[in-house]
Formats: sequence, structure tokens, C-alpha cells
Amino acid sequence: DSGVTQTPKHLITATGQRVTLRCSPRSGDLSVYWYQQSLDQGLQFLIQYYNGEERAKGNILERFSAQQFPDLHSELNLSSLELGDSALYFCASSPGGHANQPQHFGDGTRLSIL
Amino acid sequence: DAKTTQPNSMESNEEEPVHLPCNHSTISGTDYIHWYRQLPSQGPEYVIHGLTSNVNNRMASLAIAEDRKSSTLILHRATLRDAAVYYCIAEHGSSNTGKLIFGQGTTLQVKP
Repeated sequence: DSGVTQTPKHLITATGQRVTLRCSPRSGDLSVYWYQQSLDQGLQFLIQYYNGEERAKGNILERFSAQQFPDLHSELNLSSLELGDSALYFCASSPGGHANQPQHFGDGTRLSIL
Repeated sequence: DAKTTQPNSMESNEEEPVHLPCNHSTISGTDYIHWYRQLPSQGPEYVIHGLTSNVNNRMASLAIAEDRKSSTLILHRATLRDAAVYYCIAEHGSSNTGKLIFGQGTTLQVKP
């Protein structure tokens, strides 16, 4: 158990819809990361937050947005969903968000677009 | 972040040591070397990381070449549970972010 909780575990929806994925970091961790894993693209970094502020952005589409709340949990919002958005979405957390700190990953949310 | 190169796949026998290589010839002096693994149907799992010196923890050892252009993850006694995809990542140490850029990794098969 990594201590990172992601909900829901599975999500099935249709094209054009909007979904929200939720992540609770490990106790004491201030930084949250979101990653997407698809069969053709592998694991890709999307975005990082540290104590409520955006710290780094990766290959995140404009249709996607995220935020980190005062209680440090984070949400990833995906809108105008397309078939290609079907993937595993992982959240990870680390204490301070720096390069020399291990990240602990949740079990992911599997998103299926029909 | 420096580009890393790993073999696509490797095989090992159970209870034998495994040496997983990684090349990172463009690494800079402040890049940390991280290893993560991903077991089937699970999220990535932190294994070990280091900067210049060799590192040991309960899971594995990390041997870093003197010129830092390559490193080796060592599993001292492979078990069936070690079958996973292993990712080597060279992460920019002086930036204010810990984002990880994953490559294709090495798929390790462990034979009983």
C-alpha cells in the first residue's frame, strides 16, 4: 500500500462527456503528480502541483485541467472526452516535489471511453 | 532530463542475481538516476535512486559508473514477484520539479 488513494478505480463513459478523477496523497506529502498511461504512448507526465500551486506542466491537453485543494487532495478534470483519452491515469505524491525525492504512486483510475 | 536507453527485455532464473543496465550518456552533473518498476496491473513503484555514489536499500542496489554515463540496477536474488517493467530515469536535479519522464523500460521475466 503506497498510501496514495485514487478514486474511482474504473470509469466508463461516452465521448463528449466530462469526468473528474480524484487523488489523496500520502500523509505529509505536499506535491502531487498526474500521469497518463496508454498502450501507444506509454507513461506520460501530465502535471505537478506543490502545496496548491502548479509547479510543472507536461503533455496535458487543453481539455484537461487539474487543481490541488487546501487539504492537498487533487482532482484531474477531463472534458470533451475522445476515444483516445481511454487510458490509465495515475497520481503520485512526494514530500517536497524535488528531483531527489521518491514518488509514491496510487493504483490508478482506468478510464474507458465508449 | 537526459535520455536513457534500456534493453527491451531480459530473462532471469528465480533466486539468481539480476543486473539491469541503463545508458544515459547525456546525463548532466545534477541529474539524479531513478529506478521504478511496474508490476502487472499496478502503478509504478519506487525502487531506488542515486546521484554519484552506489546505493543500497532493502529492494535493490544501484551501481553508478564513475563517468555517470551508465548505471546498473541489481536485484540480488530474483523472485517471481520481481517480474515487472523496470524504468530507468535520469531526472534533472537542479530544476524545481520532480517530474519523471518514463521511457519504454525493460520487461523482466523471472523463470521458476
